[in-house]
Amino acid sequence: QVQLLESGPGLVKPSETLSLTCTVSGGSINSGAFYWYWVRQRPGNGLEWVGYIFYSGTAYYNPSLKSRLSMSVDTSKTQFSLRLNSVTAADTATYFCARQVTTGDWFFDLWGRGTQVDVAT
Amino acid sequence: AVTQEPSFSVSPGGTVTLTCGFNSGSVSTTHFPSWYQQPPGQAPRTVIYNTDTRSPGVPDRFSGSILGNKAALTITGAQTEDESDYFCVLYMGNGISMFGGGTKLTVL
Repeated sequence: QVQLLESGPGLVKPSETLSLTCTVSGGSINSGAFYWYWVRQRPGNGLEWVGYIFYSGTAYYNPSLKSRLSMSVDTSKTQFSLRLNSVTAADTATYFCARQVTTGDWFFDLWGRGTQVDVAT
Repeated sequence: AVTQEPSFSVSPGGTVTLTCGFNSGSVSTTHFPSWYQQPPGQAPRTVIYNTDTRSPGVPDRFSGSILGNKAALTITGAQTEDESDYFCVLYMGNGISMFGGGTKLTVL
């Protein structure tokens, strides 16, 4: 059974870099059938797409975050990661990783449980 | 933005329809609307995808459709265990999906 598990620090200081990793257990990340997504939910807000990456390393970022965001994939470790620079309190959120099916149906068939990130001193 | 009702209430055994709109136009099957149930503190679970396809294991009291210019999730014969947050997702092309703000469904 394929599962996604987010990991990373729960607390990041303002202006520093947030780094999160999503581990894909029980399956391969090396498939053209999926995009690997990061989604966040800020307090009192709905979900917001952060960005996604393909197994080849091609990534696409939310334009509102693009200048501060980078994503990477490590197929040997079945992990994909996010780095968000110069964080502020507005980046405080629960961050989810998710798998998007690309083969015609375009939906998310797998989600992590989410990891809470607080940006504070 | 993708719009949803912030909250809805239904009595056990009743029928409720949640909607998912798009403030830039109409929602259609080309947006591949999908619906997710998210209990507090848990991972989201896929309920409906590609407008009206139930995810494996989802009870048949859940159904999806296009109603007018919105996507809709209908629960017919709501159960107490259906109480949860529900959010919709619309596919915009180029791998990009946009998320609704979510509807908090109360069953009582």
